[in-house]
Parts: sequence; structure tokens; C-alpha cells
Amino acid sequence: NAGVMQNPRHLVRRRGQEARLRCSPMKGHSHVYWYRQLPEEGLKFMVYLQKENIIDESGMPKERFSAEFPKEGPSILRIQQVVRGDSAAYFCASSPGTPRNTIYFGEGSWLTVV
Amino acid sequence: TQLLEQSPQFLSIQEGENLTVYCNSSSVFSSLQWYRQEPGEGPVLLVTVVTGGEVKKLKRLTFQFGDARKDSSLHITAAQPGDTGLYLCTRGNAGNMLTFGGGTRLMVKP
Repeated sequence: NAGVMQNPRHLVRRRGQEARLRCSPMKGHSHVYWYRQLPEEGLKFMVYLQKENIIDESGMPKERFSAEFPKEGPSILRIQQVVRGDSAAYFCASSPGTPRNTIYFGEGSWLTVV
Repeated sequence: TQLLEQSPQFLSIQEGENLTVYCNSSSVFSSLQWYRQEPGEGPVLLVTVVTGGEVKKLKRLTFQFGDARKDSSLHITAAQPGDTGLYLCTRGNAGNMLTFGGGTRLMVKP
């Protein structure tokens, strides 16, 4: 499968714990995006990264959330001290950075905070 | 305030019916993409339109980009249960990230 790979697909955390979501972009893609989707809602942009750089984090909550895309390895979205309101589907997408802005999505990671 | 308005938000129809959903903005798009998302899965790209007035067909789906590049429509002919899902339109922004509309949830009943 050469698509965008996300893991875990489902994650359950207790309030106060940390959640780490991983994303491996498509082969050849150096741009990664993270989106959050609440139940019955659309996708909300969180952060845009290129290798080792955060390009745009205007959609990231100012506290508890962080993202990285290291030179080697997957991109990671980290949520510290999770609260019930963090329960959502988190989607990663990648692109080669072409002018057409076509991005390809992973299948998502569903976080449930209990 | 959403930059993209999609309508209707919800649509429930019988198999075989036709439907049209819309995506509108007050500003001009450089390009626009339509995605479909099925429950429990990620969005899948259906089409990209870039030229005002452009019409693209994908089997029973017809996508139209407005002449002024501020709006787009998706028309489905003879809808099938497999068309059920969330239809999302997006636009490219500076920095290459995408802004999504709130989506249209379509249910096609057999």
C-alpha cells in the first residue's frame, strides 16, 4: 500500500494521558497536513509541515498540541493531557507540493478520551 | 465564519434520483477539489477543477466550476447507495494547505 499510512487507527486514552498519532506520507511526498474532524462535522485544518519545519500551525490549539515531521520517520501529532473534547478523528494528508494543491488523505486515527 | 459554504448540509434521496450539491465562496478560487468521505474512512479525491466554466465528468458525476471561479456544483445522475457519504469541497490557500467547506452528507436509500 503506497498510500498515506496512519496509526493507530483507534486509540483510547483516559483524561490526562498523552496521545501520539503517527503519519507516514506517500512515497515522494514531503508535505504533511493534519486535520481534525469532530463527529458529524467537516475537516478543520490544524497544521502544515515539511521535513523538519512547521510551515503553518494556525489551526493548532495553543496548548497541549504539538506536531513534528523529522528528517527520518513519520510525522507525529502529540496531544498532552487529553480531555474529552479532544475525542475526534484526526486525518493526515500528504502532497508533493505541486501547484495544483492536490493532497491525499490517510484513513484517519480515531481518538476516544474516556 | 467558513470561507466555503456547502449546501445542502444533508440530503436523503431514493436510489435512482438525481441531485445537485453546491459549494460557494465570496472570493475567487485558484483551484477547487471535491472529495468524498465514507464513514470510518479518509476523504478520497474525486476531481480538481482550475478553469472558470470547466465541466468534468466522472461516470455519473458531473462537476462544474463557475465562470467567475467562486462557486462549483456536483451533479449526480441516477444516484446509487454506493454514493452515500460526505461530499467536501476545498480550495487551495497560500501555503498550500486546504480550507474545507462543512460538507454535504448524502444518503441514498435503496
